[in-house]
Amino acid sequence: DTGVSQNPRHKITKRGQNVTFRCDPISEHNRLYWYRQTLGQGPEFLTYFQNEAQLEKSRLLSDRFSAERPKGSFSTLEIQRTEQGDSAMYLCASSLFSPRSGDTQYFGPGTRLTVL
Amino acid sequence: SQQGEEDPQALSIQEGENATMNCSYKTSINNLQWYRQNSGRGLVHLILIRSNEREKHSGRLRVTLDTSKKSSSLLITASRAADTASYFCATGTMDSGGGADGLTFGKGTHLIIQP
Repeated sequence: DTGVSQNPRHKITKRGQNVTFRCDPISEHNRLYWYRQTLGQGPEFLTYFQNEAQLEKSRLLSDRFSAERPKGSFSTLEIQRTEQGDSAMYLCASSLFSPRSGDTQYFGPGTRLTVL
Repeated sequence: SQQGEEDPQALSIQEGENATMNCSYKTSINNLQWYRQNSGRGLVHLILIRSNEREKHSGRLRVTLDTSKKSSSLLITASRAADTASYFCATGTMDSGGGADGLTFGKGTHLIIQP
């Protein structure tokens, strides 16, 4: 079990540029979640997938944000036309959903985005 | 929006003492989870307690849940310097498939263990 991995760990970009982050979940996990965390705050839910289907999107996920999980394994989160307010830590989590498991979510180390 | 509110926001105690953190939430939940986060790092899952459970133990951790008061507490016994971190409670509701949807986190309690 290698855990959830995220790449890159840090990203610095200029306002207006597009960025893409990748998340590789724990291999047998069928659910994948994206969260955003700003300094001094708890993580805020953005969206989640069960296998390749995107089941829920937060209102925080503006039109500039898009997430995919094309084969039900890794996922990408893209932010278009970045703004300074997008600067945050982007966290990915995965879980193995079953009626008995309680759906514990395991988090990756995060990608820290800085928009200049 | 953040549903959970941890209390206190910051806590500093001596090594060996017990640390208690509280969490209050607003809506009905399916489960409540506690996570630890070291500075600038990802979250580590500590314990999950379901809405029909009242108390749960894991090593030096004890979690209680009072659904009538919409509150939970996390007790860390015999604290160690390595326990220094931020602690978050997160509430989960059940989606239409029966699994948890996105967790709702509080702002966290920053715990400092003085050696």
